[in-house]
Amino acid sequence: GAGVSQSPRYKVAKRGQDVALRCDPISGHVSLFWYQQALGQGPEFLTYFQNEAQLDKSGLPSDRFFAERPEGSVSTLKIQRTQQEDSAVYLCASSLKRVQETQYFGPGTRLLVL
Amino acid sequence: GDSVTQMEGPVTLSEEAFLTINCTYTATGYPSLFWYVQYPGEGLQLLLKATKADDKGSNKGFEATYRKETTSFHLEKGSVQVSDSAVYFCALSRQGAQKLVFGQGTRLTINP
Repeated sequence: GAGVSQSPRYKVAKRGQDVALRCDPISGHVSLFWYQQALGQGPEFLTYFQNEAQLDKSGLPSDRFFAERPEGSVSTLKIQRTQQEDSAVYLCASSLKRVQETQYFGPGTRLLVL
Repeated sequence: GDSVTQMEGPVTLSEEAFLTINCTYTATGYPSLFWYVQYPGEGLQLLLKATKADDKGSNKGFEATYRKETTSFHLEKGSVQVSDSAVYFCALSRQGAQKLVFGQGTRLTINP
């Protein structure tokens, strides 16, 4: 079936704007993850959902970052009052089960904050 | 905390050369270890994994062996092709946890 999809693929925001990034996981996948990848770096964990429950949000860098997955499928990562340091690629991944299953990644959303 | 260190890139090789990309990790317990690859213009894909000491993961001619004694998971391929040009990421997942911890990535370029 289809893989993980993310939208938009590119987003340019002015500093101080709010943005919303969408992730459509693979159908039936229980777990969903968000990662942030700065230029030239490896992805860094932001948050994790099991169905609709957000079980780990330890990687969210500030209270300007908020994620939700209200029906246990599509997820949205929201960044309020964007700052230049938020510029990065935001990756979504999903996995079939709960623990230590292979994570399948989407193509990412490249966010540029001017 | 948990961490992964990869050899710095970029790495440039000629076609049919032998490839090694070093990866070492720091983690408590017995993590699972992964190599992910990112081809130009594409998303991260799992290349191979190993879940316990002395396991060997393999795929597409690439291999990596989980070495607990040296906390390493080096990626090797005997004869690289131009199509192997990509960025390679080593990662771990601690036992009982969900999130992946990634290294900084190694960019590999293979010249014909």
